Amino acid sequence: GAVVSQHPSWVICKSGTSVKIECRSLDFQATTMFWYRQFPKQSLMLMATSNEGSKATYEQGVEKDKFLINHASLTLSTLTVTSAHPEDSSFYICSALGQFTGELFFGEGSRLTVL
Amino acid sequence: KQEVTQIPAALSVPEGENLVLNCSFTDSAIYNLQWFRQDPGKGLTSLLLIQSSQREQTSGRLNASLDKSSGRSTLYIAASQPGDSATYLCAVRANQAGTALIFGKGTTLSVSS
Repeated sequence: GAVVSQHPSWVICKSGTSVKIECRSLDFQATTMFWYRQFPKQSLMLMATSNEGSKATYEQGVEKDKFLINHASLTLSTLTVTSAHPEDSSFYICSALGQFTGELFFGEGSRLTVL
Repeated sequence: KQEVTQIPAALSVPEGENLVLNCSFTDSAIYNLQWFRQDPGKGLTSLLLIQSSQREQTSGRLNASLDKSSGRSTLYIAASQPGDSATYLCAVRANQAGTALIFGKGTTLSVSS
């Protein structure tokens, strides 16, 4: 099946720093990628929809200036958490939409811990 | 706005029992419904995908049904095993191009030996 790779799988950073998470579709092209956030014992909450070559669409309550999303190619989307704070500590998961199949594939997730 | 509800939130059963997990959604205009498994601290494992035109899908000891008109799906697990212990997530996708999956809060299953 199709593979979506996320990197890093875990990261620890100091409060105030920025962290970039990459999401790559390894064997297919993805015009659309989705970013989710999952707090402990909670479900996945959609943060934003990332479309290749255009601005991301953010869900209500998600700060676009804090969570910068770039989808510069058909195989790569990045999420940058700017000026991270402890409350941003969470599990971030991306999902890629197969360009021709219309099926959604998920990355393994990235665990962010902000000290 | 689509909302997905899963009942029960948690379930504990002895090994060997058959069990049913429930999922309901508010907007019946869906493209498909998907069941996932998530182990603690891990990503998602897709279990079954049901297209809107389908009524059920089966994989091994798992069977998922879909009643789109009533906004319900069930995941049936036969002969449960301790290795089935995990959180099971139900998610639906709206019947529009390029839409994301909307998730329920999950059912945390514990199977004791």
